[in-house]
Amino acid sequence: DADVTQTPRNRITKTGKRIMLECSQTKGHDRMYWYRQDPGLGLRLIYYSFDVKDINKGEISDGYSVSRQAQAKFSLSLESAIPNQTALYFCATSDQQGVHEQFFGPGTRLTVL
Amino acid sequence: GEDVEQSLFLSVREGDSSVINCTYTDSSSTYLYWYKQEPGAGLQLLTYIFSNMDMKQDQRLTVLLNKKDKHLSLRIADTQTGDSAIYFCAESEGNQGGKLIFGQGTELSVKP
Repeated sequence: DADVTQTPRNRITKTGKRIMLECSQTKGHDRMYWYRQDPGLGLRLIYYSFDVKDINKGEISDGYSVSRQAQAKFSLSLESAIPNQTALYFCATSDQQGVHEQFFGPGTRLTVL
Repeated sequence: GEDVEQSLFLSVREGDSSVINCTYTDSSSTYLYWYKQEPGAGLQLLTYIFSNMDMKQDQRLTVLLNKKDKHLSLRIADTQTGDSAIYFCAESEGNQGGKLIFGQGTELSVKP
């Protein structure tokens, strides 16, 4: 079984709809992250959480919100989706010890029409 | 703010060496990383280098770090078609670990 899972894997929605992307992990890591990937721009950090009660904005948080429901779950919401939020979204986790390797989920491809 | 820059594309012949270059800005990063993204998948850590090292070798991979110029490179020897992927350079923000700043990714195409 995958250590970091994301649901859904693909989603097509319309402008103005509210969308939630979910991430679960079985690695026991405290730290979780949401990124978006756009061609030519690499990965950009949307939000991150270092603990269940900890939420921090990343580079591009406008238009997004997150919820850390438990150590293993971190969800990303688009309150009112717009076309320029069409992208590939990745969740990742890391341990606070060692080399801080991040472990990525398989991604969610979101299309906003 | 911190920034990481990479060229977007590299094409090589099978059996040749590939060199992917990266420049970064945060001199306090404890680690610098290379992640690999295969088609349709998430990123996986390929290798990393501790900031007090100049070079790290791991089988076909050689990482060179020039701290003075803030330049990181990844050399893949005897490149194979299975090495075709997007390679991301990343620096850790500050010396606390956790947050990573990624480059744009270099798409490596290996031709037979």
